Amino acid sequence: QSALTQPASVSGSPGQSITISCTGTSSDVGSYNLVSWYQQHPGKAPKLMIFEGSERPSGVSDRFSGSKSRNTASLTISGLQAEDESDYYCCAYAGSGTYVFGSGTKVTVL
Amino acid sequence: QLQLQESGPGLVKPSETLSLTCTVSGAFTSSSRYYWGWIRQPPGRGLEWIATIYYSGITYYNPSLETRVTISVDTSRNQFSLKLSSVTAADTAVYYCASQKETYSGNDWVPGGFDIWGQGTMAIVSS
Repeated sequence: QSALTQPASVSGSPGQSITISCTGTSSDVGSYNLVSWYQQHPGKAPKLMIFEGSERPSGVSDRFSGSKSRNTASLTISGLQAEDESDYYCCAYAGSGTYVFGSGTKVTVL
Repeated sequence: QLQLQESGPGLVKPSETLSLTCTVSGAFTSSSRYYWGWIRQPPGRGLEWIATIYYSGITYYNPSLETRVTISVDTSRNQFSLKLSSVTAADTAVYYCASQKETYSGNDWVPGGFDIWGQGTMAIVSS
């Protein structure tokens, strides 16, 4: 069970859109529609932003959207805002009740 | 609303067992709607899923930690717990507990993503 691959960092200017990729395998990302995304500010607990690939929990801005193509999931943040500067982690179901997290991406708002 | 709170010793000696408890409020650990999980994060590093349990006692473990980890649930106290044995400095981390809603995938009900998290508790392994 290896960590999912994410870019170490992604940056964008306010108002722009950015996309964070999350690459797994046919045993995890590619097999199930159970990819979730988490935002984590420094010193804080992670917060669920997207679940089941593209669903947003109540209260999460619709600027956040998720998608998947084969073994790669993606998180897109539209209309980038200063408050979006944070670490983001993907997470995928890997079967038999197990989960694997991504390596994490630091988003910087320029 | 659903809230989770971790508790633990803070400092553990190498080779000993780390014991953590997560107290749940706003929902019952006996509910069939939820699974309950533990995740950890070493300082400056990423998240790692450790284990998940269902109210019935069904458990799931990260294969890389399975030989040292035990997760359990106490529905009478509305808590679930984690024990990690033979700890080393590499086990130093913030440990989070989280809820996972039951979800249908493929042909089975399985634990979903981690929707509500506790604030985390730091566990340091040091002599």
